[in-house]
Amino acid sequence: GENVEQHPSTLSVQEGDSAVIKCTYSDSASNYFPWYKQELGKRPQLIIDIRSNVGEKKDQRIAVTLNKTAKHFSLHITETQPEDSAVYFCAAKDLDNQGGKLIFGQGTELSVKP
Amino acid sequence: EPEVTQTPSHQVTQMGQEVILRCVPISNHLYFYWYRQILGQKVEFLVSFYNNEISEKSEIFDDQFSVERPDGSNFTLKIRSTKLEDSAMYFCASGERESSYEQYFGPGTRLTVT
Repeated sequence: GENVEQHPSTLSVQEGDSAVIKCTYSDSASNYFPWYKQELGKRPQLIIDIRSNVGEKKDQRIAVTLNKTAKHFSLHITETQPEDSAVYFCAAKDLDNQGGKLIFGQGTELSVKP
Repeated sequence: EPEVTQTPSHQVTQMGQEVILRCVPISNHLYFYWYRQILGQKVEFLVSFYNNEISEKSEIFDDQFSVERPDGSNFTLKIRSTKLEDSAMYFCASGERESSYEQYFGPGTRLTVT
């Protein structure tokens, strides 16, 4: 069945360092890959997404890369700040599927130490 | 900015009781979803809903679950006979149109079954 694997499960970095979170997906039909940030007790919020016709997308300190052949995609956060501390979820979706469900990874708890 | 809202924020119920979780999606959205997140685990898809019918449902969404859009604004999830393992955070999400990529999540309802 469809599955998204996410690593690492926890990540601790010093403020100012970079953080990288990696995901792999199993469903070849997946063509949309969002990343959500979830602060404790709050709703998941979209921070960046990428479609399968693009290899990389950047938004200020956040970037996402996609390797369709390997079915890998990654989130890169540069110059990390304490407020980046949260759980980050990757997800995959088949835009051609009317159901449109998101398949989530297991999450990465990022801790940025001042 | 419009947001998805959910009520109640926390529901405590006894095993075997019926619960109804309520969501008000963003007003011009056409696609509606329910997800759940057991404490410390990933977000899991339950069901998607479009044009007054279920588009897709997961294995979790068995006969004990049902969804309804009783009027033009509410979207509900009913669990007929709750089990201990139904304890989780339930998120409603909505999407604007079929080709729309982003799903907007509500703040969630924490369901505790005792």
